[in-house]
Amino acid sequence: DAKTTQPTSMDCAEGRAANLPCNHSTISGNEYVYWYRQIHSQGPQYIIHGLKNNETNEMASLIITEDRKSSTLILPHATLRDTAVYYCIVRVPPGTASKLTFGTGTRLQVTL
Amino acid sequence: EAQVTQNPRYLITVTGKKLTVTCSQNMNHEYMSWYRQDPGLGLRQIYYSMNVEVTDKGDVPEGYKVSRKEKRNFPLILESPSPNQTSLYFCASSLSRLAYEQYFGPGTRLTVT
Repeated sequence: DAKTTQPTSMDCAEGRAANLPCNHSTISGNEYVYWYRQIHSQGPQYIIHGLKNNETNEMASLIITEDRKSSTLILPHATLRDTAVYYCIVRVPPGTASKLTFGTGTRLQVTL
Repeated sequence: EAQVTQNPRYLITVTGKKLTVTCSQNMNHEYMSWYRQDPGLGLRQIYYSMNVEVTDKGDVPEGYKVSRKEKRNFPLILESPSPNQTSLYFCASSLSRLAYEQYFGPGTRLTVT
């Protein structure tokens, strides 16, 4: 799996968009970008994944650059409940290796 | 409600006293796995199971055992716990090994003294 680099921490005002960047310059052609989050000591929660196109679901949007070397997770209207550690993971498609390897992630603090 | 449950949520035990952490999912998922999470080391996979009676080692299997006799249950067994197994443990499941999304349990905080 490709290595990822994320900022250690970020702040965001409630109601504003939270943009969480991730660098993955060594990503391979068949590797996907996943995002999970972990609210303090709870189990990680899947957010979204993508290969090369931008993706959106009810939780967030994922923007992947054209060269696929970086991506941004966007929470459009952050709330206090979005305070968590966000993990960007790059890995091959499921089936070849199903484990998830989490790094240290970005600690997002949403404030009033 | 679709969920992964773990028991106990908290456990303090002594070195060498065998223990089992249970994991159960009600989503008819084929794939289940165990992770441990330690400060500065992230989440590391211990064991995984692709289906009933099929288990395999993850990255850090030493000192652990698992079994998968039923599809819904995947217990983690520590035959002789040691202090270096003090950690936060998570069970996870997914529809199959081909699924993109994994569902995690609430975690079990284990302390071995």
